[in-house]
Amino acid sequence: DAGVTQSPTHLIKTRGQHVTLRCSPISGHKSVSWYQQVLGQGPQFIFQYYEKEERGRGNFPDRFSARQFPNYSSELNVNALLLGDSALYLCASSLTLLRQGAYEQYFGPGTRLTVT
Amino acid sequence: ELKVEQNPLFLSMQEGKNYTIYCNYSTTSDRLYWYRQDPGKSLESLFVLLSNGAVKQEGRLMASLDTKARLSTLHITAAVHDLSATYFCAVDIMYSGGGADGLTFGKGTHLIIQP
Repeated sequence: DAGVTQSPTHLIKTRGQHVTLRCSPISGHKSVSWYQQVLGQGPQFIFQYYEKEERGRGNFPDRFSARQFPNYSSELNVNALLLGDSALYLCASSLTLLRQGAYEQYFGPGTRLTVT
Repeated sequence: ELKVEQNPLFLSMQEGKNYTIYCNYSTTSDRLYWYRQDPGKSLESLFVLLSNGAVKQEGRLMASLDTKARLSTLHITAAVHDLSATYFCAVDIMYSGGGADGLTFGKGTHLIIQP
């Protein structure tokens, strides 16, 4: 079975531009979470979507937004890019919410975003 | 605010030695996760610890959880070079009033095992 897939693999953008990152969860998984991992740090939680609804967000500005589609895939959008947005963006999927019986989140390979 | 602290952050050790990585967290949680990350790669799940006293072992790695002490350990036995990687612990908490369950990660332990 295919795992979590993300596209693109790498991306280079200029300050002030907009970017869209895409994620396809494992088949049958209804929850998608997004994380940002800056070089040398642990991943930081950005958003979680479950059944196409936003369930929560971490401490990120409104420039970050996301949505989940009827097929449970998801997009992360970042507007007005800053140099500090350069990071590895990870998508994770789970069957349900962790506290509703899901065992764990499964991470995709990530999208490496470089802002120049 | 939940804090997850790992130590050490950097560890260089020789093959054949034993060592322990510690993970402390600041709020109540009965779930703790350990991940491995190789340079430029995503996160590989190692262990999911779901209750107080849980102990899991896979090869040369063993993880344990003490929810009362808010402490988890990852023990490496007779280290080999292939175990060189960055190891993260993570705790799940409720975000935004209880709606989401994102993971909060430690900063990671960068482990180098030398022949």
